[in-house]
Amino acid sequence: LAKTTQPISMDSYEGQEVNITCSHNNIATNDYITWYQQFPSQGPRFIIQGYKTKVTNEVASLFIPADRKSSTLSLPRVSLSDTAVYYCLVGDPYNNNDMRFGAGTRLTVKP
Amino acid sequence: SAVISQKPSRDICQRGTSLTIQCQVDSQVTMMFWYRQQPGQSLTLIATANQGSEATYESGFVIDKFPISRPNLTFSTLTVSNMSPEDSSIYLCSVEGTDYGYTFGSGTRLTVV
Repeated sequence: LAKTTQPISMDSYEGQEVNITCSHNNIATNDYITWYQQFPSQGPRFIIQGYKTKVTNEVASLFIPADRKSSTLSLPRVSLSDTAVYYCLVGDPYNNNDMRFGAGTRLTVKP
Repeated sequence: SAVISQKPSRDICQRGTSLTIQCQVDSQVTMMFWYRQQPGQSLTLIATANQGSEATYESGFVIDKFPISRPNLTFSTLTVSNMSPEDSSIYLCSVEGTDYGYTFGSGTRLTVV
């Protein structure tokens, strides 16, 4: 049974805000939600991590509703260089973190 | 975040041979992860390697095919043994970051001919 579910692909245009949603219905109490970005021919890169409510850093925001069964990665004003695959992972970073990746979302930003 | 040096970056190997991939980290880490990523696909976890203990393999991966060494807290190797064209893939190592999230190496692109 998949731990996370994301849309396979999304298209956007430069300057738009992009929201990618991840479903994780079986998230455990101690699990955190972490998002990674992967460009072709590179390893994944950490974007943001959160437990509940909202987290914001210099590149993205992460929205987590009260039931924590889903999360939304928000990329403000995307550019062509944001074209990548985005992965959502859930796991307990303090205890045998589950590092199994789902299928990811392939985001294509168009000019 | 930890900095990972993964070698080789790419290789072309004959079927039936073995390739050892090295992962060097600039800081001590408890857990290291090895992944395989086939073209256009997501990452598949091969095994988790803790220093001083046997690696833990995921379903579908066995030690005879993918032996892993973890001699200290900064280094690990993954060997792809008795290779076939189906083993052509990108292999990546990963370690826990110093703050949040995990850091990944740049990967080893393996082609078996």
